[in-house]
Amino acid sequence: AQTVTQSQPEMSVQEAETVTLSCTYDTSESDYYLFWYKQPPSRQMILVIRQEAYKQQNATENRFSVNFQKAAKSFSLKISDSQLGDAAMYFCAYRGYTQGGSEKLVFGKGTKLTVNP
Amino acid sequence: EAQVTQNPRYLITVTGKKLTVTCSQNMNHEYMSWYRQDPGLGLRQIYYSMNVEVTDKGDVPEGYKVSRKEKRNFPLILESPSPNQTSLYFCASSVAPSSYEQYFGPGTRLTVT
Repeated sequence: AQTVTQSQPEMSVQEAETVTLSCTYDTSESDYYLFWYKQPPSRQMILVIRQEAYKQQNATENRFSVNFQKAAKSFSLKISDSQLGDAAMYFCAYRGYTQGGSEKLVFGKGTKLTVNP
Repeated sequence: EAQVTQNPRYLITVTGKKLTVTCSQNMNHEYMSWYRQDPGLGLRQIYYSMNVEVTDKGDVPEGYKVSRKEKRNFPLILESPSPNQTSLYFCASSVAPSSYEQYFGPGTRLTVT
């Protein structure tokens, strides 16, 4: 079964500090894609970062970076120099397949990040 | 501006009254999906469309219907809504399969009483 697990329902960080959100997934595939999405209070889903499994180099986007451990099936998100605007729900997602063979995103349950001033 | 629009944004209805949530994208994307978001469950795919007239069930399709008669539109139909369909619904589209970014609509908050 294709599952994504976010073990931290809530996290908090002080402004300007670094925080890491955890994500693990289950798959038998060797080539796949992983994503982190951010959902602020506005509810809009915003892509934060994407990782291709065939790439050994960890993806980075400004203050956001991932630690992709393929063998461990782990995909954590690190936010450096946290800002108040980073406060949101963060979802880890994996590209999986429907029973019909079509592609879909499988989401974790989310981690609510609070940034304290 | 490239975007996915949904209407209505908020809807309160009663059990059994048919409703449609519209979704439209202006990016000429082939792939469109519907998700529902529930507290503690994350987002779950309801239906998926690979192109006009081609749809596929997701993880939670029961109680929903979709159609894709035009490339830009992908409405979600609840023919007999029930309280367990109270949720936040998102439409999403992408230029290619999910290996690429999915663009999400703003969400529709549905309450069924």
